[in-house]
Amino acid sequence: EAGVAQSPRYKIIEKRQSVAFWCNPISGHATLYWYQQILGQGPKLLIQFQNNGVVDDSQLPKDRFSAERLKGVDSTLKIQPAKLEDSAVYLCASSPEGQPYNEQFFGPGTRLTVL
Amino acid sequence: GENVGLHLPTLSVQEGDNSIINCAYSNSASDYFIWYKQESGKGPQFIIDIRSNMDKRQGQRVTVLLNKTVKHLSLQIAATQPGDSAVYFCAENLSPGANNLFFGTGTRLTVIP
Repeated sequence: EAGVAQSPRYKIIEKRQSVAFWCNPISGHATLYWYQQILGQGPKLLIQFQNNGVVDDSQLPKDRFSAERLKGVDSTLKIQPAKLEDSAVYLCASSPEGQPYNEQFFGPGTRLTVL
Repeated sequence: GENVGLHLPTLSVQEGDNSIINCAYSNSASDYFIWYKQESGKGPQFIIDIRSNMDKRQGQRVTVLLNKTVKHLSLQIAATQPGDSAVYFCAENLSPGANNLFFGTGTRLTVIP
């Protein structure tokens, strides 16, 4: 079974530029998550989708971050404009439906450096 | 959000010894806890989980202990191997039923051959 795919793996941009990350979850997984992991810290949930609907985006900085999952499969996370403090690894995870607590499967992440 | 933290940021053990990684949590309503392993350049990988109605759960070479009285979680790795070297995170589910994880800071485990 293929895992969660993310691209690009690395991205370097200057502050105030825009950037987008892409995630393809495990086939059949209804729930998709985006996490931000700053160096030396644990992942922090940004947004959670159930199919193509948003379940939780309370920690998403909505003035600059946006995410969508239009067809309930792939998802994109965008930052516009980027700030220095956005430098982090952006992780995508997915989990199946059906049980109260399901293992979240993580992708390799996209490492963003904002200069 | 509630705080999930670790007592020790780094841990070094000899190959073959047992490792114990500790985690404290403060949300008494959390009912599900998970340990993840993260190797350099990779995403977190599920190790073992435990629900709040249990105090111990065993996997292959790993055991998780949950002490709800003092809000403490630990991960025990038996016969630690070089491949176990990684950062270990505990995570708690803050919203029962919503599968919404809050991760701690992490402990870096280094296995000395």
